[in-house]
Amino acid sequence: DTEVTQTPKHLVMGMTNKKSLKCEQHMGHRAMYWYKQKAKKPPELMFVYSYEKLSINESVPSRFSPECPNSSLLNLHLHALQPEDSALYLCASSQHGQSSYNEQFFGPGTRLTVL
Amino acid sequence: GENVEQHPSTLSVQEGDSAVIKCTYSDSASNYFPWYKQELGKRPQLIIDIRSNVGEKKDQRIAVTLNKTAKHFSLHITETQPEDSAVYFCGMNTGFQKLVFGTGTRLLVSP
Repeated sequence: DTEVTQTPKHLVMGMTNKKSLKCEQHMGHRAMYWYKQKAKKPPELMFVYSYEKLSINESVPSRFSPECPNSSLLNLHLHALQPEDSALYLCASSQHGQSSYNEQFFGPGTRLTVL
Repeated sequence: GENVEQHPSTLSVQEGDSAVIKCTYSDSASNYFPWYKQELGKRPQLIIDIRSNVGEKKDQRIAVTLNKTAKHFSLHITETQPEDSAVYFCGMNTGFQKLVFGTGTRLLVSP
């Protein structure tokens, strides 16, 4: 399996809702990422997990809460979001190289709309 | 800094022509430079990458050149086809595991 999968594909939520985005990979990658992509913009890094531990948080608001329950799964818990948080949320994974950078494989994304 | 500038923002070519997209950066510590293609409504997909110990890399109709002294790298697509139409993002690593993308180039190849 050489794909990163994400569920759901689309999500509409109100500002008081709690929802979760899920990401899964079975490539044995030990680095996983969450990106946010607004329309006509590049992906922006939110979080990085290395060996199931959070290694990078790009000053993301606490209404976004990542979780890595095991080496294949990555979740993004959402609570009290704002309309400006509407975007495509992309998950990615890569091998965990010690001395060089490795290709990141992206999932298809979850298109989130906050009403 | 952690920025990478990408030009042009849009590029229209006729089928069979060549297309060149250029990115410039300022972080001299960067050593990995990927190019991603994102079709409308799809995920970004790596099409080619280059590391700082190499000046040029080619894969069929796609090539990337890197000038570390001048801090710029370019994507070259030859014999363009309509299916090459997409948004292309250059990227660079700004530290271990951290990837920053350029602003993107929308390439339109007309038949």
